[in-house]
Order: sequence, then C-alpha cells, then structure tokens
Amino acid sequence: GENVEQHPSTLSVQEGDSAVIKCTYSDSASNYFPWYKQELGKRPQLIIDIRSNVGEKKDQRIAVTLNKTAKHFSLHITETQPEDSAVYFCAARKTSYDKVIFGPGTSLSVIP
Amino acid sequence: EAQVTQNPRYLITVTGKKLTVTCSQNMNHEYMSWYRQDPGLGLRQIYYSMNVEVTDKGDVPEGYKVSRKEKRNFPLILESPSPNQTSLYFCAIQGSADTQYFGPGTRLTVL
Repeated sequence: GENVEQHPSTLSVQEGDSAVIKCTYSDSASNYFPWYKQELGKRPQLIIDIRSNVGEKKDQRIAVTLNKTAKHFSLHITETQPEDSAVYFCAARKTSYDKVIFGPGTSLSVIP
Repeated sequence: EAQVTQNPRYLITVTGKKLTVTCSQNMNHEYMSWYRQDPGLGLRQIYYSMNVEVTDKGDVPEGYKVSRKEKRNFPLILESPSPNQTSLYFCAIQGSADTQYFGPGTRLTVL
C-alpha cells in the first residue's frame, strides 16, 4: 500500500547549524506534501507544505524541496534555534478528499 | 481560527468495555478525520469523512467505527477495546488549502 518513509529518525544539531529531514513516498499520484511540527505534549501543527507543480518553497528559515521523479521531498531548517526542537512529520496525499499518509517522524534536538 | 474539541482528554478503561471519543468543530468544515499516534509509527489515519454520511477507511480502521450524522461532530467508537488500542488519538479537521488542524488529543489506556 501507500507508504511514506522518513529519515533520520533522530537528529541532533548545534544551535545555528542547518537541519535536513528527508522523506520518500511510494504513490506517484501524490501531489500534496505537508510538514508538521509537534512540540512535546502538544498537537501537530502545519509549518510548510508544497504541491507537485512546485519544486521548492521557502518561509523564512524553513524550506521544502520536492523531486517528483525520484519521489522524495526534504525539509531544510537553517540557523536552527532551541525552539526548533520538536518532532517533525512529513506527509503525502493525492487530493483534498483522500487519506493522508504520514511518515514516522524525526525527533530534532537543537543543542544550545 | 478553526477549533477542534475532543472529549475525554484522558481515559483508562478495561478490555471489552465500549467507549466513544467525541470530536466537534466550530467552523463547518467538511473533511474530518481520526488519527492514532504511537511511538516510532507516527500518525496513522483511522477513518476520515468528506461530509455528512460519507466516511472512508484510513490506514488502520480495524477495531474502530465512526459516524457522521451532522457536520460538526465526528465521534470515534471502540465497540470492544483491546490493549493494542492503547494510544494517543487526534481528531482533525481540514481547513483551507488542505491544512489539517488537530484537536488536543485523547490519551487512551486499555487494561
């Protein structure tokens, strides 16, 4: 069935360094790829998303890239700060009325 | 802002005792869904609903039921809970641009 893989499962970086999280998906019909951030004890919240007609999208220190041919997409966080420490989930879906397939998550720790 | 409420927030029950977790929204959104979150497995969609009386299975529907009799409510029903259904459950609504807005979560323990 449809599947989303995510790597690494844990990531530690020094404050100010960059962090990269990678996801691959199995269903080539997927065309919407959101990223969610979940802080400890809280609910997941959308931080950025990208659709299949776009190769890259940026929002301040966060960027997402998409390679549809290879079926993978990545989250890039620059100039990391301690408040970036959280679990990050990627996801994929085909249309607005389809199910959402999440990756298993990446636990990011930013060391001051 | 889209708001999703879930009740109860915490529940400890025993195997086989039917339970319902309620989910309500205040924004008249059509798409609602239920997820369970387990360590190392991320968020897995249980059921979703595109509108009143329209529901569909997600990735892990076994052991769960849902109903959508009115747009604002989407309860999750466990007819005969088992210990492997111990998990953190999130209800979510879909806002504009496909964003999922999650409720506060329900932590369920089945003994």
